[in-house]
This record gives sequence, structure tokens and C-alpha cells, in this order.
Amino acid sequence: GAGVSQSPSNKVTEKGKDVELRCDPISGHTALYWYRQSLGQGLEFLIYFQGNSAPDKSGLPSDRFSAERTGGSVSTLTIQRTQQEDSAVYLCASSLLRRGNEQFFGPGTRLTVL
Amino acid sequence: QQQVKQSPQSLIVQKGGIPIINCAYENTAFDYFPWYQQFPGKGPALLIAIRPDVSEKKEGRFTISFNKSAKQFSLHIMDSQPGDSATYFCAASTSSNTGKLIFGQGTTLQVKP
Repeated sequence: GAGVSQSPSNKVTEKGKDVELRCDPISGHTALYWYRQSLGQGLEFLIYFQGNSAPDKSGLPSDRFSAERTGGSVSTLTIQRTQQEDSAVYLCASSLLRRGNEQFFGPGTRLTVL
Repeated sequence: QQQVKQSPQSLIVQKGGIPIINCAYENTAFDYFPWYQQFPGKGPALLIAIRPDVSEKKEGRFTISFNKSAKQFSLHIMDSQPGDSATYFCAASTSSNTGKLIFGQGTTLQVKP
């Protein structure tokens, strides 16, 4: 079936603007993760959703970052008042939790804040 | 304690060589250790993963060696090919928790023809 999809693939915005990034997980996957990959850096966990449970927001770097997952499927990551240090590739992954931690990643959204 | 340290940062080998990438961790609660392969402009793709109840796992040309007492694990790529040129990330997670992955910093591998 289809893999994880993300949109847009690229986003250029001006400092101070809000942006929304979208993730469509693999159908039937109950767990959804957002990660951030900054230039030359590894991947950094941001937030985790599992079914109807409260999300794990422990990786969000500031209160300008928020995310929601509607209907247990599509997720949106919102960054308010973007800063230049927010420039990165934002990756979404989904997992069929009963199969353990095997996470499947989308292609990412490259965010550039000017 | 949540860190996963990966080395080397970059690696160049000749075709047919056996690149080895190493990772070390501190948190003994980690119980799942995957390796991901990432090509430019793409998301990471799961390559192979191991749990601490085994010391080695092979899938095709890729092998993970795991040393629980040393808290280290490594990826070996047998008979490497130019198409293996990519960035490789090790990671670790705790299945009893959210399963969020803690990644190493990545290794850029170049396999020369």
C-alpha cells in the first residue's frame, strides 16, 4: 500500500509567519511520530501520538510548536512565529504498534525560514 | 543518558569493502536498536533492527553486531556497492515507553567504484 506522505515537500516562509505541515500516515498505523532533522544533525524527536491517548509532547522545542492528529489519522504540525533556527526537514513516521517499534518515515517537508 | 553516539562521521571505502559503523548508548532501558538508511532528499528507510536478546542479526549483506555488556552495536555492510552510498543512522528506543527513537548523529558512507 501507500507509504507515509507529507505535504508540502518544500516550504519557504518569512520569519514571524506561521506554517502548517501535514502528515498522512500509513493506513491502519496507530502510532504517529514527528521528528526534526537539522542540517548536519541527526534526527530529533518532537511529538508522538498513539490512538486516543494523550500525546507525548516532550520533544517540542518551544511553545511555538504544536501538533494535532484528527480522527486518528492525519496529523498537522504547526509552527507559530517562525524563527530562522526552525529551518530544518520535518519528518513524520508511523508505526503499527503491535509490531513493535518499526517506524516508517515519510519523505519530509523541508522548511526554510528567511 | 538518552544519547546514542555514532562513529565515524564519514567513511569512504572501495567497492567490495566492508564498512563498519559503530554506536554506543548509556540507557540500559533501550531494547530496540534499528539502523536506517537515508538517501539525499528522501526520508530514512529501515534497514535492519535488533533486540538485546541476540548478539548478531543478518539480513542480506547487512549485519548488526550487538554487545549488551559494552552497550555497543555496529552495522557491517558486506561486499559494499556504490549504490550503498548514503547516510546511515543508528537509533535506540524503549518499547515500554512511547517507542520514540533516539538517533545517532549519522554516518555518511561513500563507496567508490
